[in-house]
Amino acid sequence: DTGVSQNPRHKITKRGQNVTFRCDPISEHNRLYWYRQTLGQGPEFLTYFQNEAQLEKSRLLSDRFSAERPKGSFSTLEIQRTEQGDSAMYLCASSLYRTSGYNEQFFGPGTRLTVL
Amino acid sequence: QKEVEQNSGPLSVPEGAIASLNCTYSDRGSQSFFWYRQYSGKSPELIMSIYSNGDKEDGRFTAQLNKASQYVSLLIRDSQPSDSATYLCAVTLRGSSASKIIFGSGTRLSIRP
Repeated sequence: DTGVSQNPRHKITKRGQNVTFRCDPISEHNRLYWYRQTLGQGPEFLTYFQNEAQLEKSRLLSDRFSAERPKGSFSTLEIQRTEQGDSAMYLCASSLYRTSGYNEQFFGPGTRLTVL
Repeated sequence: QKEVEQNSGPLSVPEGAIASLNCTYSDRGSQSFFWYRQYSGKSPELIMSIYSNGDKEDGRFTAQLNKASQYVSLLIRDSQPSDSATYLCAVTLRGSSASKIIFGSGTRLSIRP
């Protein structure tokens, strides 16, 4: 099964450290999304790519967050100078863009970040 | 007003009964609507998508959309204990290139044997 994969699955870090997460989308999907989810809330949109182009970034995303998708395949999400408020589940999803606008997104297992 | 609203629950339904989950959204121009199921500690799993007014059935699941009322629902027939999970309603916003999905906070569903 070639679903969305994410690594690592869990990350514990100390405040102030940098962390990087990786997402590998479903192979034929050209769109890739990052979300953040905290307990009791739905996933919150962070950013998305179509191929290698980053097309939208949430206003809620501070400058400490950066995402890349250099070859239009896997993507990385980096958080610099982590804060305790960054503790959350980071979810990646992918979709196959259709001009019809239909856009079913499929999620990976997530990376759970704990900032001490 | 939240963009996507759901009753947080928990909604308790006896095994074998119909579970009815509801969602309202604020953007009248929304075009795409999704239901995701999320087990505790796991990621969301897409179970239904609906784009046109009316009903869409897939196995035990039926999604219902009423754009005039800005309302989307999910019915689960013959509820099973394995259906116990949080159900997330998700909606794309007008002008978002059909990519930015806004999620509700989810409804916790509990199926009691």
